[in-house]
Amino acid sequence: SQKIEQNSEALNIQEGKTATLTCNYTNYSPAYLQWYRQDPGRGPVFLLLIRENEKEKRKERLKVTFDTTLKQSLFHITASQPADSATYLCALDTGGFKTIFGAGTRLFVKA
Amino acid sequence: DAGITQSPRYKITETGRQVTLMCHQTWSHSYMFWYRQDLGHGLRLIYYSAAADITDKGEVPDGYVVSRSKTENFPLTLESATRSQTSVYFCASRGRDREETQYFGPGTRLLVL
Repeated sequence: SQKIEQNSEALNIQEGKTATLTCNYTNYSPAYLQWYRQDPGRGPVFLLLIRENEKEKRKERLKVTFDTTLKQSLFHITASQPADSATYLCALDTGGFKTIFGAGTRLFVKA
Repeated sequence: DAGITQSPRYKITETGRQVTLMCHQTWSHSYMFWYRQDLGHGLRLIYYSAAADITDKGEVPDGYVVSRSKTENFPLTLESATRSQTSVYFCASRGRDREETQYFGPGTRLLVL
């Protein structure tokens, strides 16, 4: 069956360090992958989209990689700040109208 | 105001009651979605709609009904609420291109007693 896995344990890092979050998937061949941010009590907010033919994408302090051989995406936040503390969701295109979401990884950035 | 809104934001009901959650978007997006979010499961798709009068089931549709008579509205009805339907419900909308961003509403927290 199709499956998406994100680190279920929270990630705690110190301000200024790089946070790296992982998204692994099985039994998919997605054309693209998205990352969303979700703050407590709010809906997810889109951050980045990376296509299957793109190895890496950057937006300000954010960087996403997409390895279709490993079936893995890495999401990096460089020079992390306490304001980056949130839950980060990866989402996969299923080839149709629907997107499948991972359960998310909580990130805590300590000052 | 432009955007996507949901109402109510919080709802407490009893088992067996009918509940309708409302979703309204002002972008004239073709696609609209209903998700539920539960601890450990992430967002699971309940129903989606590609246009007015076109709806289809998602991953967890049992116990839910949707309609879409107007492009901007996509209500979700729990016909006879059960405790297992206690969850946070998110509505989202998106344009025609499947690479386009999904925009999410603020969510409705539903407690079924």
